[in-house]
Order: sequence, then C-alpha cells, then structure tokens
Amino acid sequence: DTGVSQNPRHKITKRGQNVTFRCDPISEHNRLYWYRQTLGQGPEFLTYFQNEAQLEKSRLLSDRFSAERPKGSFSTLEIQRTEQGDSAMYLCASRQTGAHEQYFGPGTRLTVT
Amino acid sequence: DAKTTQPPSMDCAEGRAANLPCNHSTISGNEYVYWYRQIHSQGPQYIIHGLKNNETNEMASLIITEDRKSSTLILPHATLRDTAVYYCIAGGGTSYGKLTFGQGTILTVHP
Repeated sequence: DTGVSQNPRHKITKRGQNVTFRCDPISEHNRLYWYRQTLGQGPEFLTYFQNEAQLEKSRLLSDRFSAERPKGSFSTLEIQRTEQGDSAMYLCASRQTGAHEQYFGPGTRLTVT
Repeated sequence: DAKTTQPPSMDCAEGRAANLPCNHSTISGNEYVYWYRQIHSQGPQYIIHGLKNNETNEMASLIITEDRKSSTLILPHATLRDTAVYYCIAGGGTSYGKLTFGQGTILTVHP
C-alpha cells in the first residue's frame, strides 16, 4: 500500500491555458473524490466516482472542469482556460467500499499567473 | 451534512492532553462525526469517527455527548508533531462519503 499519489505536485500555468492533474488511488479503493482547497480554508468537495461512474459533481465544478476515471483506477481532473481564481490545492482521496475513512493524497498546487 | 462549529485556534503544552471541542447541534440521527487533521502542506489525515458511542484508537479518543449535539476529540499526550488544523465533520457514513469541511481548529503544541 503506497497510499494515494498525485501528479504533478506543483503546476504553474498562465491564464487561459489548460491543465490536467492525475490521481492514483489506493489500489483496492473503488471510491474516489476530488476536493479543492484555497488558502486558509478547508477543502471543498468537487466530484465523486464510484468505480468509473461519476456520481456527483459540485456546483463548484464549472463547465471548464472535467474529471474522468476511465477504468475505475486512476483519475484525471482537467481545467480548461484556467483563471486566476483556479489557483488552489487540488486534493484527491480514495475510500474502500464499506469503510469510513478517506485517504488523501498530497495534493497538486496550481498557480495561475 | 450538518454544520459544525469549532474554535479557530487552541494551544496545548507538549505532553499534556489536547481537548478539541466541536458543536454539531443540527446533526441528524444517521450522520457520523468524523475528525481529520491537516499538517501544513499535506493532505488531510483521518483520525477517528463515531456515531453515538465514545471511540478510541491509537491516535485519539472521541467523546460524543448523549444528545449528539457536540463532541470532543482528545489527543492524550500531545507532541509537537500534532500541531495541525483539526477538522470536525458531521456527515453521511459509508453509503456516499462526501466530506464537508469547515475551517477547523488550528492546534499549536508548545514545547
């Protein structure tokens, strides 16, 4: 068990560019979550997958955001036409069916200049 | 998910017990109480959860009042490595599992 991994750890991009982040959950976990955290705030839920099915999306997830989990394993979060307000830490978490605890990755810190 | 209220910050001396309170007066009967913590620049870490009964694990104890309107997380012997933001979350259990974080309590453990 190597834990949840996220890549890249840091991303600096210019406004208007597209970015993609990757999350590799713990291997037997079929539930996967994305959260966003801005400075001084707690994480905010973005979206949730059970296996490859995206079961809920937050209103925070505008149409510039898209998330996939094509084979029910790793997941990607893409932001198109980035804005300065997208600057945040993007966190991924996974959970095993029937368990309560979510295991978080270290996050991807996005800075939009 | 029910709203939770926590003090913005607390201090604790190293080696002493840290008692972190949380108010969740609107919690519904099937909602659990979860505690996570976040050490600077890391992802949140699960600590403990409970429904009605008090719970203890290797990290902490969770005391839930009988009316379930509040709870206390106890770190029995705080160390400098326990300095973190502690989040109390009232939420939906294993069927779905989305977590609604508040702003948490910044716990600072002093030497």
